[in-house]
Amino acid sequence: GAGVSQSPSNKVTEKGKDVELRCDPISGHTALYWYRQSLGQGLEFLIYFQGNSAPDKSGLPSDRFSAERTGGSVSTLTIQRTQQEDSAVYLCASSLGKGGRETQYFGPGTRLLVL
Amino acid sequence: GQNIDQPTEMTATEGAIVQINCTYQTSGFNGLFWYQQHAGEAPTFLSYNVLDGLEEKGRFSSFLSRSKGYSYLLLKELQMKDSASYLCVFTDKLIFGTGTRLQVFP
Repeated sequence: GAGVSQSPSNKVTEKGKDVELRCDPISGHTALYWYRQSLGQGLEFLIYFQGNSAPDKSGLPSDRFSAERTGGSVSTLTIQRTQQEDSAVYLCASSLGKGGRETQYFGPGTRLLVL
Repeated sequence: GQNIDQPTEMTATEGAIVQINCTYQTSGFNGLFWYQQHAGEAPTFLSYNVLDGLEEKGRFSSFLSRSKGYSYLLLKELQMKDSASYLCVFTDKLIFGTGTRLQVFP
């Protein structure tokens, strides 16, 4: 079966532009997560969705970052007025539910470079 | 607060055994994952521990002691393909360690 997919795989943008990143989770997975991984750094949690609602937005670094999920499936992460420090790999993961035992399956990531 | 500590880098020889430690301080605990991440790729699941003790899965084993705030990942019969970063993850608040970069040499 299909895994988690993300698009675009690579994105180069100019400082100040808005970008939109897309995540298609595994079919039937109710939980969806966004992470960011800067070069040489660990994974940084951004936001988590259960269905279409986001009970935990604590990881979003600033109000330039927002995310939504529609139909309990596809999610988009939007970064407004991008800054150079936003350059990172943005990873999406999904799991069957939010329970502690649920393995998260990661997508391949979107590599964002802000010039 | 929550804090995770792992060694930054480790090296080992093909065929050897290596233990990667992870210590943590957290106000809540709901399980611990280990993930493997090859350079330029997304993390992949290795193991899950919620109770104290050892979980064995082929060449990989993971151990947890909740009272000591300590876990380790044990890799046996190392292969070159095991060269990767190994991430210790707490499911409560989704706290990730920065990962241990393991290099396996022939």
